[in-house]
Amino acid sequence: DGGITQSPKYLFRKEGQNVTLSCEQNLNHDAMYWYRQDPGQGLRLIYYSQIVNDFQKGDIAEGYSVSREKKESFPLTVTSAQKNPTAFYLCASSIRRGGTEAFFGQGTRLTVV
Amino acid sequence: GNSVTQMEGPVTLSEEAFLTINCTYTATGYPSLFWYVQYPGEGLQLLLKATKADDKGSNKGFEATYRKETTSFHLEKGSVQVSDSAVYFCALSDISGGTSYGKLTFGQGTILTVHP
Repeated sequence: DGGITQSPKYLFRKEGQNVTLSCEQNLNHDAMYWYRQDPGQGLRLIYYSQIVNDFQKGDIAEGYSVSREKKESFPLTVTSAQKNPTAFYLCASSIRRGGTEAFFGQGTRLTVV
Repeated sequence: GNSVTQMEGPVTLSEEAFLTINCTYTATGYPSLFWYVQYPGEGLQLLLKATKADDKGSNKGFEATYRKETTSFHLEKGSVQVSDSAVYFCALSDISGGTSYGKLTFGQGTILTVHP
């Protein structure tokens, strides 16, 4: 089955540590996205990439980094510079041109302990 | 910039009641509009969409019409079920700048609870 796989489902991080969230898709989509979800605030765009080896900052990129070395993979690193990293993180993908929708993964819940 | 505003929640209904969740937007271009649904602990699933003015999106008994004159995309369902309990997000995507449909601006979400 085609889809988007995020791992792990739950992640715990100590303060001061960097952690990397995985996102893999087998939909052959060019574009991939990372969103952060906080209660009562909807989803906010962190980073997005429309082609391999290229990515752009979204609305809340500070304290995060990404890479796009392969079409099917778009990992997100939450760095120690992110002051409030506890949140639900969602990865999505879409066709770059044409198509009409984005597809989402099941999410990773990150908790700072 | 683009923005989406949803009605305040949460919304609590009895089974078979009529549902309306209001959504209004501001956009500089000609956006496509979406409703996504999120069940507890899961990602988002597309519920319905409309890509131009006066289009009506529909799925699983839910409907929404793209109203350019009122910049609205209200979600309706004539008879809700317990299984409709979830969080509903209104969103827009403006591809006029060359980006694709995954670059979305979301509303804050509306929690719907349906009791038997």
